[in-house]
Amino acid sequence: GAGVSQTPSNKVTEKGKYVELRCDPISGHTALYWYRQSLGQGPEFLIYFQGTGAADDSGLPNDRFFAVRPEGSVSTLKIQRTERGDSAVYLCASSRQMGGDTQYFGPGTRLTVL
Amino acid sequence: GIQVEQSPPDLILQEGANSTLRCNFSDSVNNLQWFHQNPWGQLINLFYIPSGTKQNGRLSATTVATERYSLLYISSSQTTDSGVYFCAVPNFGNEKLTFGTGTRLTIIP
Repeated sequence: GAGVSQTPSNKVTEKGKYVELRCDPISGHTALYWYRQSLGQGPEFLIYFQGTGAADDSGLPNDRFFAVRPEGSVSTLKIQRTERGDSAVYLCASSRQMGGDTQYFGPGTRLTVL
Repeated sequence: GIQVEQSPPDLILQEGANSTLRCNFSDSVNNLQWFHQNPWGQLINLFYIPSGTKQNGRLSATTVATERYSLLYISSSQTTDSGVYFCAVPNFGNEKLTFGTGTRLTIIP
């Protein structure tokens, strides 16, 4: 594909429900990143993968958040027992490699928890 | 962690005007990226500029790593330049980006 893609573009859910957000990185990019952007703020780091393994998950806010990248390409961000405070735009980025390379961002998934 | 501040926070200009946006960071960095977030929320890469000067059309950027700042220049502004401009730097030795506070640019026809 030409760029990073994310699905769904919008997700509305009820408090307490489980959601999955998907990211398809640019073909051949080995590094994949998740960020979260709240209204009026810059994106904040959540987790990043080099290949299949999570290289750094220090930005995940709590154990309700989990992400996987089982085959080193597509990644899924999973949120359990959603809370209203989880409402934000979730952004995915990829780069050719880890270590001083440009990160390219997808269009984001806007999550609204009612 | 590293702190990143941008100025000004808001900028309103007439079409055709020039502008300079500034990004200050609190620690040594080995790269820096400038992004434009358009009104639809898409983050668009403008520059990857760890040091020196780069130009792309009406936009140019300069990073002075030793003094811990970067500047983004926009010349002959167009309404499509409106949006929020972010700079972002990695935590040293780590690739996770820390974003600045952003500059919201509004270009009036």
